[in-house]
Amino acid sequence: KNEVEQSPQNLTAQEGEFITINCSYSVGISALHWLQQHPGGGIVSLFMLSSGKKKHGRLIATINIQEKHSSLHITASHPRDSAVYICAVRLRETSGSRLTFGEGTQLTVNP
Amino acid sequence: KAGVTQTPRYLIKTRGQQVTLSCSPISGHRSVSWYQQTPGQGLQFLFEYFSETQRNKGNFPGRFSGRQFSNSRSEMNVSTLELGDSALYLCASSMSSYEQYFGPGTRLTVT
Repeated sequence: KNEVEQSPQNLTAQEGEFITINCSYSVGISALHWLQQHPGGGIVSLFMLSSGKKKHGRLIATINIQEKHSSLHITASHPRDSAVYICAVRLRETSGSRLTFGEGTQLTVNP
Repeated sequence: KAGVTQTPRYLIKTRGQQVTLSCSPISGHRSVSWYQQTPGQGLQFLFEYFSETQRNKGNFPGRFSGRQFSNSRSEMNVSTLELGDSALYLCASSMSSYEQYFGPGTRLTVT
């Protein structure tokens, strides 16, 4: 079993819909990251969380440390949001910046 | 501030050859991490360097090595290339263990 599990693997939405991507982890962590990867490979860090909730524009990320679960929400989705969204964790037991990744969620937003 | 840069962006090598990839972090960032991304295995951590010292190492064979210079630039080397080494190689820089900033990646094809 992977230490980081994401769901769904693939998600298709219509423009304007509210989208939720989930991430569950089975290990102790010091931080959780949400990343966005567009075709071509470049990765952008969207959020780094260790507790609570963060919001940036139409994106909201939450984390529940007790339940080992995080969600990424996109409000009023747009075709430019189409990308792979990746959940990654920094394990509590390791020092440094090493990340362990989920398999990613391929999001397609149709106009 | 300039972002993380990686060179070369694309590379084609033959089995048995060796390859060196370069990563220049954001100015002031002392940590550089390397990741391999393949369709089958997803994103996997290779190693992390901090102030010229390897701080973490992933589960890769000894053919994969790296180093960091006094200006924080980092190189990774893969010797005796195998077909399975074809991948997108990403580096990310950070200040200590904080949020990571990813480079555009080097796409390596081994034939």
